[in-house]
Amino acid sequence: GENVEQHPSTLSVQEGDSAVIKCTYSDSASNYFPWYKQELGKRPQLIIDIRSNVGEKKDQRIAVTLNKTAKHFSLHITETQPEDSAVYFCAASSNTGNQFYFGTGTSLTVIP
Amino acid sequence: EAGVAQSPRYKIIEKRQSVAFWCNPISGHATLYWYQQILGQGPKLLIQFQNNGVVDDSQLPKDRFSAERLKGVDSTLKIQPAKLEDSAVYLCASSYLPLDTIYFGEGSWLTVV
Repeated sequence: GENVEQHPSTLSVQEGDSAVIKCTYSDSASNYFPWYKQELGKRPQLIIDIRSNVGEKKDQRIAVTLNKTAKHFSLHITETQPEDSAVYFCAASSNTGNQFYFGTGTSLTVIP
Repeated sequence: EAGVAQSPRYKIIEKRQSVAFWCNPISGHATLYWYQQILGQGPKLLIQFQNNGVVDDSQLPKDRFSAERLKGVDSTLKIQPAKLEDSAVYLCASSYLPLDTIYFGEGSWLTVV
């Protein structure tokens, strides 16, 4: 099955700085890559996703880039705010195309 | 639109006891997932339903876990007998189709003592 690795496991940034979280995947057939944000005690919520026919997607302060050749994709958060503090999970579709495999998560802390 | 509903939110049981979790997906969502999330880890898929049929249950410990979705809507996940390592959050999720956006419920927190 798919293997998704996520780095770093923890990340602290000063408010206003940028944060970057990187994921790699093993299955070259994977073609859909969502990112989820999970605040403490809350459900994971989709914040952005990208499909393999594009290399980058932006939504206000959040962007995702995809490098299919290298099999990695990254989440970029600019002008970080304290409310960005949460655990972020990446995911990649499986080779069967019917499910996702999740990374192990990155705990982001934005220091005011 | 109403989200994915789960109950109970919290459950504490002794090892070897049984527990059942219930999930009601978003209306119209044919695909339903049960994930296990151990503290500090990402969600791990236990079972995936398409309508009332099982698509994937390869990571479901079938000697103790069972799940059903009899009428293609609500689902239950049962653990019997529970082990200490089953302590986790059990997340139910649904999507309109496979690989559509997945919407998660709030989760059912299980502690086995």
